[in-house]
Amino acid sequence: AQSVTQLGSHVSVSEGALVLLRCNYSSSVPPYLFWYVQYPNQGLQLLLKYTTGATLVKGINGFEAEFKKSETSFHLTKPSAHMSDAAEYFCAVSELDNDYKLSFGAGTTVTVRA
Amino acid sequence: DADVTQTPRNRITKTGKRIMLECSQTKGHDRMYWYRQDPGLGLRLIYYSFDVKDINKGEISDGYSVSRQAQAKFSLSLESAIPNQTALYFCATRGVQGYTFGSGTRLTVV
Repeated sequence: AQSVTQLGSHVSVSEGALVLLRCNYSSSVPPYLFWYVQYPNQGLQLLLKYTTGATLVKGINGFEAEFKKSETSFHLTKPSAHMSDAAEYFCAVSELDNDYKLSFGAGTTVTVRA
Repeated sequence: DADVTQTPRNRITKTGKRIMLECSQTKGHDRMYWYRQDPGLGLRLIYYSFDVKDINKGEISDGYSVSRQAQAKFSLSLESAIPNQTALYFCATRGVQGYTFGSGTRLTVV
């Protein structure tokens, strides 16, 4: 069975500071991992995904995430926060044994202070 | 036009009423999904369909039904709406390149 835990429902960062959003997953088989972003009153947009290969994945808007199998983690980072990064972020997992259905974490809301 | 279109965008309905949320897609994908989003719970899968003749329950299907009218259309119905079905509903499709989500339908049951 697959599941996702996002640590911290709210994160507040200063503009220019590091953004770190934590995601841990459980999966019985090698997972596919995703980060989605939801801006206010909008749908979900894919930030990045890990399927196979390189464990450091770069996405849009300067975000990246690293797949660490030993820690069952897929944390999202951005070196320097921008006001436009204020949004809700969802980590998600899918696996072949579950026909690649997405299971989402509870989400982390990011606010950026000027 | 959006790849995945949901109608209506917003809806307020009364307890006990039947309501249908519609989803259409131009991606040509066979797989379609309905999710609901609640604060603090993320998105949870209600129903999914692999093709017109293949409908499957997700983790929270009670109180909902679906209809796959064509490859491009997948509708979600609430036969008798109740207040705890107030949520943001998303339709999605999946192809080789991954998932595409609609913009959501915000449903309020009063």
